Amino acid sequence: DADVTQTPRNRITKTGKRIMLECSQTKGHDRMYWYRQDPGLGLRLIYYSFDVKDINKGEISDGYSVSRQAQAKFSLSLESAIPNQTALYFCATSDPGSDEQYFGPGTRLTVT
Amino acid sequence: GQNIDQPTEMTATEGAIVQINCTYQTSGFNGLFWYQQHAGEAPTFLSYNVLDGLEEKGRFSSFLSRSKGYSYLLLKELQMKDSASYLCVSGGYNKLIFGAGTRLAVHP
Repeated sequence: DADVTQTPRNRITKTGKRIMLECSQTKGHDRMYWYRQDPGLGLRLIYYSFDVKDINKGEISDGYSVSRQAQAKFSLSLESAIPNQTALYFCATSDPGSDEQYFGPGTRLTVT
Repeated sequence: GQNIDQPTEMTATEGAIVQINCTYQTSGFNGLFWYQQHAGEAPTFLSYNVLDGLEEKGRFSSFLSRSKGYSYLLLKELQMKDSASYLCVSGGYNKLIFGAGTRLAVHP
């Protein structure tokens, strides 16, 4: 079984809809991250969490919110989706003391 | 500011050697990662350099010069499956800063 899983893997939604992307991990890592990837751009950090009670904004948090339900679960929400949020979204995890991150398989989101 | 530069695209022939260069200017720098990413898939870890010098791991080697803000990834004995994007990534302050990636196409 994969260490970091994301659901759904693909989603098409309409402008204005609320959508939640979910991430679960079995690696036992405290730290979790959400990124988006757009063609021609590097992965950009949306939000990150260093433990269940810690939530931090990343580089591009506007229009997004997150919830850390447990050590193993970190959800990303788009309150009112817009077309420029069409992207590939990745969840990642890491251990304290290490910068190496482990990525989930990604969620391809299309907002029409 | 945070800046990572790497070529957008490269092509190479199966069996050959290719070097992908990266320059970076990032704050709180701890070390330099290289990740491989096949189209539509998750990035996967290739290498991590903290100290200056060359790290070799099988067909892949990575070099770092902290004073020059420079790294390269060297891929030897190229195989068709090496066609992918290679991401130069700066690590520090418990966060990663990603370059846009170099798309490598390996031809027979």
